Amino acid sequence: QKEVEQNSGPLSVPEGAIASLNCTYSDRGSQSFFWYRQYSGKSPELIMFIYSNGDKEDGRFTAQLNKASQYVSLLIRDSQPSDSATYLCAVRRGFQKLVFGTGTRLLVSP
Amino acid sequence: IAGITQAPTSQILAAGRRMTLRCTQDMRHNAMYWYRQDLGLGLRLIHYSNTAGTTGKGEVPDGYSVSRANTDDFPLTLASAVPSQTSVYFCASSDLGLAGSNTGELFFGEGSRLTVL
Repeated sequence: QKEVEQNSGPLSVPEGAIASLNCTYSDRGSQSFFWYRQYSGKSPELIMFIYSNGDKEDGRFTAQLNKASQYVSLLIRDSQPSDSATYLCAVRRGFQKLVFGTGTRLLVSP
Repeated sequence: IAGITQAPTSQILAAGRRMTLRCTQDMRHNAMYWYRQDLGLGLRLIHYSNTAGTTGKGEVPDGYSVSRANTDDFPLTLASAVPSQTSVYFCASSDLGLAGSNTGELFFGEGSRLTVL
């Protein structure tokens, strides 16, 4: 079992729709959770982090964490073609180890 | 502000050759990391350093070595390159302050694409 699992996609949504990206993790001791966006040929960049159960909103992005069920999700409202990228879920234990999922490719069609 | 600078951007290398990927940051972050990214496998940690003078092994350390002589530089060396080390290598840094004092966000360089023939 992988430590962090994501569906590779692609997830295709029309412009203006809500994109829902999901991630599950295996280590119950995980403390913090991150969503990175990576455009093709570019380096990852952080878009959201969440530590506590529940929702955290930032503009069009909402991160949701459920530690009991060991999943974290990212919702993108009013999806735009510029949101088309690979979204990487990352989970941290302690200070030195950030474990990444393999990423979900999102395609937003005009 | 440059952030993290990696060099070279791209390199083709013959198997058996020695190669050092350079990484320099100007953010005074205490922690630095080397990841490799391969299709279908995602980002995997090779080595890390929590502070100057210390290093640790990540998930896939075999065939790689690192050093951290100072805060800013964290070179990755392939002593004798093999084709399976063909990958995109990302250097990253973060500020590991006191718990709760920062997000632990990783800042990535632009990557070094390495092809070993």
